Amino acid sequence: QVQLVQSGAEVKKPGASVKVSCKASGYTFTSYDINWVRQATGQGLEWMGWMNPNSGNTGYAQKFQGRVTMTRNTSISTAYMELSSLRSEDTAVYYCARGRSIFGVVSFDYWGQGTLVTVSS
Amino acid sequence: SYVLTQPPSVSVAPGQTARITCGGNNIGSKSVHWYQQKPGQAPVLVVYDDSDRPSGIPERFSGSNSGNTATLTISRVEAGDEADYYCQVWDSSSDYVFGTGTKVTVL
Repeated sequence: QVQLVQSGAEVKKPGASVKVSCKASGYTFTSYDINWVRQATGQGLEWMGWMNPNSGNTGYAQKFQGRVTMTRNTSISTAYMELSSLRSEDTAVYYCARGRSIFGVVSFDYWGQGTLVTVSS
Repeated sequence: SYVLTQPPSVSVAPGQTARITCGGNNIGSKSVHWYQQKPGQAPVLVVYDDSDRPSGIPERFSGSNSGNTATLTISRVEAGDEADYYCQVWDSSSDYVFGTGTKVTVL
C-alpha cells in the first residue's frame, strides 16, 4: 500500500534551517510529484511547492521563494524539504503529499503523517 | 492571487445532509478537490475533479461545481464525518490554493 513516512518533530531557533524528509513506499517514487503543505496550529492548509522526483524539477509558492529547497534521493525513495531563515511564524505541521495527475489535473491522493516544526528562542 | 472562500462552520444532525460551499471567481472553469481532516490527522482526499471519489470513499460524499461556487455534499451524515473540510484548486496566478476550511459539526 502507498505510504509516505515523514521524519520526526524538530525544534529550531530563529534564523536556523530545518530539513524534513518524506520516505515513499508502495509505488514507483519517480512516477508522481511530491508536494509540501504546511498548517499552523488552528489554521488552514498552505501549499509550499512541488518536486518531480524523476527530473528533480521544482516549483515553489512565491511566498517561500528563496527560503525553501526541495530535493530527493531516488535510491532510497525519499524527498526532502528544507526551509531556511526560520522565524516564529514558520511554526507549523509540515506535510508531504503525493500529486496524482489525471489528464493534467493534479490532486493530492496520499499524505504523510506530518512533521511538527517549532521555531522558538 | 486566487481566493477560495468557505463558511467557517456547518452543523448538521445525524442522517441529514450537509452542504459545504467553496466560492471563487469563475471556479466552475476549474477542477475542484475536497479534503477531509480530522483532529490530529493528515488530510484525506474525498472528492477530486469536482465530483469523482477515490476508492474507499463512501458514495455519501459527492461534489458539484458551477459558476462561482463548488459544493461538497455529505448525505446521511454520520458522527464519523465530523471534521474540517478544505476545497482546493490550481490557478495559473497562484498555483495550488486551498480554501479557508469548514468545520462540520454533527449535532
